[in-house]
Amino acid sequence: EDQVTQSPEALRLQEGESSSLNCSYTVSGLRGLFWYRQDPGKGPEFLFTLYSAGEEKEKERLKATLTKKESFLHITAPKPEDSATYLCAVQARGGSYIPTFGRGTSLIVHP
Amino acid sequence: DGGITQSPKYLFRKEGQNVTLSCEQNLNHDAMYWYRQDPGQGLRLIYYSQIVNDFQKGDIAEGYSVSREKKESFPLTVTSAQKNPTAFYLCATLGSSSRGYTFGSGTRLTVV
Repeated sequence: EDQVTQSPEALRLQEGESSSLNCSYTVSGLRGLFWYRQDPGKGPEFLFTLYSAGEEKEKERLKATLTKKESFLHITAPKPEDSATYLCAVQARGGSYIPTFGRGTSLIVHP
Repeated sequence: DGGITQSPKYLFRKEGQNVTLSCEQNLNHDAMYWYRQDPGQGLRLIYYSQIVNDFQKGDIAEGYSVSREKKESFPLTVTSAQKNPTAFYLCATLGSSSRGYTFGSGTRLTVV
């Protein structure tokens, strides 16, 4: 059974204080790992897809990296508008392609 | 612009009442999904449909029903058999595998 564990559950940062969110996973053959951002009361928005160990993707202050067992979402010099819940999901090869989601990390950035 | 429209944004259900949540997409995606989101529990799959006139149960299908008569539409009915329906409901489609899911904006259902 595919599993995704995100840590920490909640993270409070001061504006400009860089940090990382973790997504540990077990999957029978990784097809893709997805990162989403979710604002309160809204649907998740796509951020990145990673396919293989060593891959990195960047967008503004966010950088996602991937190893064979985990992915990190690095946030450099965060701003209050980066406050949101960040969701990680993995998609296995074969079967129904339905992603398995972690429970998310709630990030609050204080000005 | 292509996307997913969920309506209503807020819905109130009385005890013993069935309610239907709407999900419409113009992305031309074959696969559509319904998730339930509760605080601290992440996303849980209710039902999904990979093609018109066919759908499968997810992990928590009891008390819910769906139909898929058109490619664009995948309505979810929360029946009176669902004893704890208060939650945030998300509809999603899965098109190009490079972007994973596209989500709607959600419907918040509250029992009154």
